[in-house]
Amino acid sequence: EVQLVESGGGLVKPGESMRLSCAASGFMFSSESMNWVRQAPGKGLEWVATIAGGGLSTFYADSVTGRFTISRDNVNKSLYLEMTSLTGADTAVYYCTRFATRVGAFDVWGRGKLVTVSS
Amino acid sequence: EIVLTQSPDFQSVTPKETVTITCRASENIGFSLHWYQQKPDQSPSLVMKMASQSISGVPSRISGSGSGTDFALTINGFEVEDAATYYCHQSSDVPWTFGQGTKLEIK
Repeated sequence: EVQLVESGGGLVKPGESMRLSCAASGFMFSSESMNWVRQAPGKGLEWVATIAGGGLSTFYADSVTGRFTISRDNVNKSLYLEMTSLTGADTAVYYCTRFATRVGAFDVWGRGKLVTVSS
Repeated sequence: EIVLTQSPDFQSVTPKETVTITCRASENIGFSLHWYQQKPDQSPSLVMKMASQSISGVPSRISGSGSGTDFALTINGFEVEDAATYYCHQSSDVPWTFGQGTKLEIK
């Protein structure tokens, strides 16, 4: 079964850092681009970051460029999001998603992890 | 940045009714438009890819159309299980963007 399971998240103070992880299973992880998409409470979906299968290419939304870093470990089939200088605007559920090239869309989603930035 | 504008923001739908959601892109994105369904307290799930290509396991009453800048998602014979928020998404160019969402509820 194709599955993505996020871990990490929780409450963090403004200006602090947090790392999210995502464990993948059931597919050839190293062949697929992986992404983080977030959703603020009661709001819509926002793409955050993408990393290519080999890990050499990364892309970020302007809202997180310079503060967030996406990375992956293809041996352990894991995706990460390192978040620094967090603000209240970063409060959201963060979803790990697969962007399958043959599909051209986010075809697999994790259940998401809530990150709350508050003093 | 490519802006996607959905219409309507909200619609109350009678069971068995046909409902159409539209998504307009701020520039030509070809067929690189996808639709997701999100039910309360659940993750989004892909229900249509590349404007009109169906997804395995998604009921055939859900269909998509369009190209370029104008797209639509149609549900023929709305069922209770279709009540959800629907988002369009473009993968034509980074930053990938989503529409603001359309919430469909049962009347």
